[in-house]
Amino acid sequence: DGGITQSPKYLFRKEGQNVTLSCEQNLNHDAMYWYRQDPGQGLRLIYYSQIVNDFQKGDIAEGYSVSREKKESFPLTVTSAQKNPTAFYLCASSPRDGPGETQYFGPGTRLLVL
Amino acid sequence: AQTVTQSQPEMSVQEAETVTLSCTYDTSESDYYLFWYKQPPSRQMILVIRQEAYKQQNATENRFSVNFQKAAKSFSLKISDSQLGDAAMYFCAYRVPNTGTASKLTFGTGTRLQVTL
Repeated sequence: DGGITQSPKYLFRKEGQNVTLSCEQNLNHDAMYWYRQDPGQGLRLIYYSQIVNDFQKGDIAEGYSVSREKKESFPLTVTSAQKNPTAFYLCASSPRDGPGETQYFGPGTRLLVL
Repeated sequence: AQTVTQSQPEMSVQEAETVTLSCTYDTSESDYYLFWYKQPPSRQMILVIRQEAYKQQNATENRFSVNFQKAAKSFSLKISDSQLGDAAMYFCAYRVPNTGTASKLTFGTGTRLQVTL
């Protein structure tokens, strides 16, 4: 089946720890995105990548890092610099980074701080 | 900065009835795209419908249709013959062509739709 997978479904972070959220797609999409969702708010863009080996910061990139070494993979690392990481994280992809392109979303990862 | 406003935090509709979810946006752009996404309890975002700003005809997808009023910057979603499976959070989103900075979706805060028997 074609689609986007995110793992793990739940992730627990200890203070001062870096954690990495996985996002994989087999849709052959060039563009990939990471969003953060907090209660009562819409999704906010963390990072996005238009093509392999390239990525740009979104609105709330501080405390996060990404890599795009393979077309199908776009992992997000939540660093210890992110002081309020508890949120729901959604990964998305689209064929290209065009304004009319539909973004397809993964099932999400919920990150909790211990 | 572009903003998207959904003024109805919660709505309720009876099964088989029609409901309209409102969305307004603020932009100085003339060319852009608008979307409605559905987020069911599984929390996976699913595209419901999209509208291109330069098209005057309102988009429709089966039981879902939009009322796009460009001058008023309004983009409401109408759900006809509501079904129990329509219960979800609905997000309105806006996107402009890439200008060299982040070509991103800007989301509203969502409307939670309940469907009752």
